[in-house]
Amino acid sequence: QKEVEQNSGPLSVPEGAIASLNCTYSDRGSQSFFWYRQYSGKSPELIMFIYSNGDKEDGRFTAQLNKASQYVSLLIRDSQPSDSATYLCAVIGSGGSNYKLTFGKGTLLTVNP
Amino acid sequence: GAVVSQHPSWVICKSGTSVKIECRSLDFQATTMFWYRQFPKQSLMLMATSNEGSKATYEQGVEKDKFLINHASLTLSTLTVTSAHPEDSSFYICSARDYRNNEQFFGPGTRLTVL
Repeated sequence: QKEVEQNSGPLSVPEGAIASLNCTYSDRGSQSFFWYRQYSGKSPELIMFIYSNGDKEDGRFTAQLNKASQYVSLLIRDSQPSDSATYLCAVIGSGGSNYKLTFGKGTLLTVNP
Repeated sequence: GAVVSQHPSWVICKSGTSVKIECRSLDFQATTMFWYRQFPKQSLMLMATSNEGSKATYEQGVEKDKFLINHASLTLSTLTVTSAHPEDSSFYICSARDYRNNEQFFGPGTRLTVL
């Protein structure tokens, strides 16, 4: 069974700090990795995707992928209270998965003013 | 990012009635759409995968005769909850895959309350 694991948190950081969110996955053949943000009562919003090993930066967000370790992370620099949300890691696995996303349970991030 | 709409955003119905939820990709073509359900404080649960012009693929434990899915065009998929009961009350969310890449975008969700 393909699994995506995240620390459920809550992760609490002060405003302006770096928030680090981590995710591991079990399907070694996975090729596509996504981070979504979900505010309470709302649907998920795509923040970033990453396909290749290494870092990918977009504004205050940096996604990091290490396929050998089956690990993907999201760094949020200069965290703001508006970043407080649940962050979902999602993976498209191998083997004709029809592009189906497997989600982790999410990490609740709280940024304190 | 691409835009996916859902309609209605919320619905309240009586037990035993059927409810149809529409999911539209507004600025891209979606060969594949997905339907999820999310109960309070729980993670997203994939219900089914919908491919344009073919039958939907349902996840284990999801009744295909109760949750009817139609994906008639590259921009529209519908989910009909038939004979809804209070336990079907949930937040139903669709997502659409842009056929040009693997990115999936979520609709705003439909909150269903069955009395």
